[in-house]
Amino acid sequence: GQSLEQPSEVTAVEGAIVQINCTYQTSGFYGLSWYQQHDGGAPTFLSYNALDGLEETGRFSSFLSRSDSYGYLLLQELQMKDSASYFCAPRADDRGSTLGRLYFGRGTQLTVWP
Amino acid sequence: EAEVAQSPRYKITEKSQAVAFWCDPISGHATLYWYRQILGQGPELLVQFQDESVVDDSQLPKDRFSAERLKGVDSTLKIQPAELGDSAMYLCASSSTGGWAETQYFGPGTRLLVL
Repeated sequence: GQSLEQPSEVTAVEGAIVQINCTYQTSGFYGLSWYQQHDGGAPTFLSYNALDGLEETGRFSSFLSRSDSYGYLLLQELQMKDSASYFCAPRADDRGSTLGRLYFGRGTQLTVWP
Repeated sequence: EAEVAQSPRYKITEKSQAVAFWCDPISGHATLYWYRQILGQGPELLVQFQDESVVDDSQLPKDRFSAERLKGVDSTLKIQPAELGDSAMYLCASSSTGGWAETQYFGPGTRLLVL
């Protein structure tokens, strides 16, 4: 089966740095995606790590350690508009196909205070 | 910028009624996904299409849910009969070929309330 753990809530102030951790257990693991979802909105893609290491995209960075089944999303210079839910979503396939699927957990609600 | 279109955006129905949701993926995207997202949880995959073929419907409650993508473009998800527990956001997503490194682009969703 598949399992995911990430904190349910994180709070921080504007300008701060926040790290959202994610541990997963999957079979047929391909890589780890991160999605952002504002209240009432659709999930939007932030990043994807297929290999170990850090990927940086502007204020957001994502890290993956395949050997530890662990990743994190780092948000720097926080802004009020970053208040949203953040989902780590392993891409995996446990049926041997070449397509895989995303597995979403409950997500982390980030609240940024002024 | 191309987007995934969904309609309706909101739907209120009574239990035991039939409901249908429509999705038009980004032009040229071969892979289409339907997800259900219950309030406070993450999206859960219901069905995945590659062109007109179902690739994965292992989580689709087939006694009441059906999905089709007849010409490999737009898709319809149907619930008949609706139950109270079906109240959720139904999200459609698409990707170019469904490859393991590809981004999935989500539509705005249809929020369903079953009374």
